[in-house]
Amino acid sequence: DAKTTQPNSMESNEEEPVHLPCNHSTISGTDYIHWYRQLPSQGPEYVIHGLTSNVNNRMASLAIAEDRKSSTLILHRATLRDAAVYYCILRDVRDDKIIFGKGTRLHILP
Amino acid sequence: EPEVTQTPSHQVTQMGQEVILRCVPISNHLYFYWYRQILGQKVEFLVSFYNNEISEKSEIFDDQFSVERPDGSNFTLKIRSTKLEDSAMYFCASGTASGPQHFGDGTRLSIL
Repeated sequence: DAKTTQPNSMESNEEEPVHLPCNHSTISGTDYIHWYRQLPSQGPEYVIHGLTSNVNNRMASLAIAEDRKSSTLILHRATLRDAAVYYCILRDVRDDKIIFGKGTRLHILP
Repeated sequence: EPEVTQTPSHQVTQMGQEVILRCVPISNHLYFYWYRQILGQKVEFLVSFYNNEISEKSEIFDDQFSVERPDGSNFTLKIRSTKLEDSAMYFCASGTASGPQHFGDGTRLSIL
């Protein structure tokens, strides 16, 4: 499985935008970029995914670099409830399992 | 919004006993998964299940483990002869083909 690199932790202030980076320099043409998050004492939760174009949904936006070697998850207005571990995952279109890394622990400051 | 439900939320078992962890996936999903997370570690894939058979399993998923879909709604993980190192959170997930997976909130398994 292709690997991703994320910062171990980040901090952000409540009600401000948060940009969570992810590097995936060995991404292949059939890898989708998925983001999940895990709130304390809960199971992982799907956030967003994309292939080449930027994506928006009600939770977040995903900005994908033109060469696809990096991406950024954008939370437009962080709340305390967004404090979680965020996982950037490459998932081949032919593969149904998810391989989790260590993710980025996001702290939100009130 | 439909969700994956897991029972029990916490299971305490003596070492060497068998445990069955239960999951009710989202009703129109056809792909089912089990993952585990040992305290302080990464979430690890165990097994995927489709069309009433295992489609993929990890090295962790050895003969001690088995999965079953006994009826149209439940998906179970059985662990035989439990060991101390089986203590972990076990997450069930369901999904469609290559779409997002939806996870339950897990069963905390404690082996004494």
